[in-house]
Parts: sequence; structure tokens; C-alpha cells
Amino acid sequence: GQQVMQIPQYQHVQEGEDFTTYCNSSTTLSNIQWYKQRPGGHPVFLIQLVKSGEVKKQKRLTFQFGEAKKNSSLHITATQTTDVGTYFCAGPTGFQKLVFGTGTRLLVSP
Amino acid sequence: EPEVTQTPSHQVTQMGQEVILRCVPISNHLYFYWYRQILGQKVEFLVSFYNNEISEKSEIFDDQFSVERPDGSNFTLKIRSTKLEDSAMYFCASRVGQGSTGELFFGEGSRLTVL
Repeated sequence: GQQVMQIPQYQHVQEGEDFTTYCNSSTTLSNIQWYKQRPGGHPVFLIQLVKSGEVKKQKRLTFQFGEAKKNSSLHITATQTTDVGTYFCAGPTGFQKLVFGTGTRLLVSP
Repeated sequence: EPEVTQTPSHQVTQMGQEVILRCVPISNHLYFYWYRQILGQKVEFLVSFYNNEISEKSEIFDDQFSVERPDGSNFTLKIRSTKLEDSAMYFCASRVGQGSTGELFFGEGSRLTVL
């Protein structure tokens, strides 16, 4: 079945440093979504990318969808302690099934 | 702001017992999901539900699991005979969109502990 892998599994940064997580799918995706899960919380939708090569920004967060629509990245500029959590990419397989990536856990030290 | 609500927030049960987890999706949403997350691991798809029937299910969703939408608002997940490995956080989610696009709205989860 479809596999969605993310690297790194875990990253610990100092506040103000940048952070990037990479997402790779074993199959071509029609779209990709990103979610954030705070410690002890539930996944919360961040964004959806649909077009090949698409880049979207949300304040300090930059999301990119690869040209082949098999990979994606999330880059955070100048991390803050509020960025702590696990970031998941998710891609559809089949009609309704959304498969989540393995996740990247981000820890930010003040 | 509309939200997905789940009950109970935490349930402790003995192995072999039946458990029902309840969810109230957002009212105008048409697609409903159950996911589970074992502590520290990824969010795993269990089942999707549309138009009063299962549309897709994973290999995890075996005969011990069932879902139901008994009325116009509740969406339930039943585990008939719980096993130790069923211990996890179970998330209900819903979305309004058609096809494979559209934001999933998650509930806060029901933590199941099987002893």
C-alpha cells in the first residue's frame, strides 16, 4: 500500500533557528495536506497543496509541493516555542482515505 | 466555531470487553472517519464512512471493529472484544468536501486503555 515517510523523525532547535521537515510518498498524490499536533492534542489542519510545484506561505511557514507530486516540505523560519509539536503530512489514496506520514516531532528550546 | 466532539475522553477496560466510542461530527459534514494513534506513533487510518456505509477501511479494521451512524448526529466505533494492542488514542474526524480533497476536522480523541 501507499507509504508516506517523513524525515527527520525528531528535531530539537533553539528558538530563532529554522526548521524543515520533508515528506515523501511512494505514489503520486493528487494533493497533500499538512497537520500540526501539539503535545497531548489532536491533529489540526494547516494547509492543502494541489498543484505541481506549488508554494504557499503562512507567516513564518512555507509549504512546497514537488514537481512530481510525490514529495513536499514544510519550512519554518525563526522558530518560536509555540511551534512545538509534531508535523504530519497526509496524502489521499483511494476516494476518501487520507494516509498520514510518519511525522516529525519538533522541540524548540527558549 | 463548530467542532467534532468525542466521548468518553478516556476509557479503561478489561481485555475481552466491548467498547463503544462516540463522536458527533460537524453538522453539515458528509464524510466521517476514525483514526487511531498509538502513543508516540503516527496517525493511522481505520475507516471512512459516507452515505451511511463504509467507503474504505484499513487492514487494522477487522471483524472486531464496526461503525454506525445510529441517528442524524452520532457516529460510533465499536470494538467487540478488546485486545491489549487496541490501547491507543482514537480520533474521529469529519469533512464536508467531495472527492479526496478538503480539510479533516479532528475531535480531541478518546484514549482507550485495555488492561
